[in-house]
Amino acid sequence: RKEVEQDPGPFNVPEGATVAFNCTYSNSASQSFFWYRQDCRKEPKLLMSVYSSGNEDGRFTAQLNRASQYISLLIRDSKLSDSATYLCVVNNNDMRFGAGTRLTVKP
Amino acid sequence: NAGVTQTPKFQVLKTGQSMTLQCAQDMNHNSMYWYRQDPGMGLRLIYYSASEGTTDKGEVPNGYNVSRLNKREFSLRLESAAPSQTSVYFCASSEALPRLAGSGTQYFGPGTRLLVL
Repeated sequence: RKEVEQDPGPFNVPEGATVAFNCTYSNSASQSFFWYRQDCRKEPKLLMSVYSSGNEDGRFTAQLNRASQYISLLIRDSKLSDSATYLCVVNNNDMRFGAGTRLTVKP
Repeated sequence: NAGVTQTPKFQVLKTGQSMTLQCAQDMNHNSMYWYRQDPGMGLRLIYYSASEGTTDKGEVPNGYNVSRLNKREFSLRLESAAPSQTSVYFCASSEALPRLAGSGTQYFGPGTRLLVL
């Protein structure tokens, strides 16, 4: 079983839609959690950290459920520029990356 | 402030050839990393350097060597390239190791696309 698992997608949504991505992790001792964004043929960049209480950054909301070992990312009012691959990342003393979920937002 | 730079951007090698991938960062970060990214898989850590003068193996170190030349530079060497090493290689840096900083902010270079024939 992979340490970090994500639905690979692709998710194809119209502009303005709300879309949610899920991620599960296997190591219950994981310390911290993140979402990275990777554009096609580019490097990953930190999108946001994920806190136990949940956190929001504009149109993006991240949630963590430690009991279920589950992380989510919600994007509201999708923009064309949100099209990218979203990587779930778990800190187990080393950073463990999921394979990513691809999102395409269409006009 | 260029962040993390990598050279070359693209490379084609024949099986058995050697090459060195170069990485430099100008953010005065202590820790640096080499990852590979393959389709359908997450980034996997090859080697890392917690600080200048130290290097350690990551998840997939076989077939690679590294050198932390100074605080800025961290190179990855393939001594005898194999087709299984065809991948996209990313260098990254952070202020400190994740287990020390508790932070997930790693800054990545633009990547090197390597094809081994």
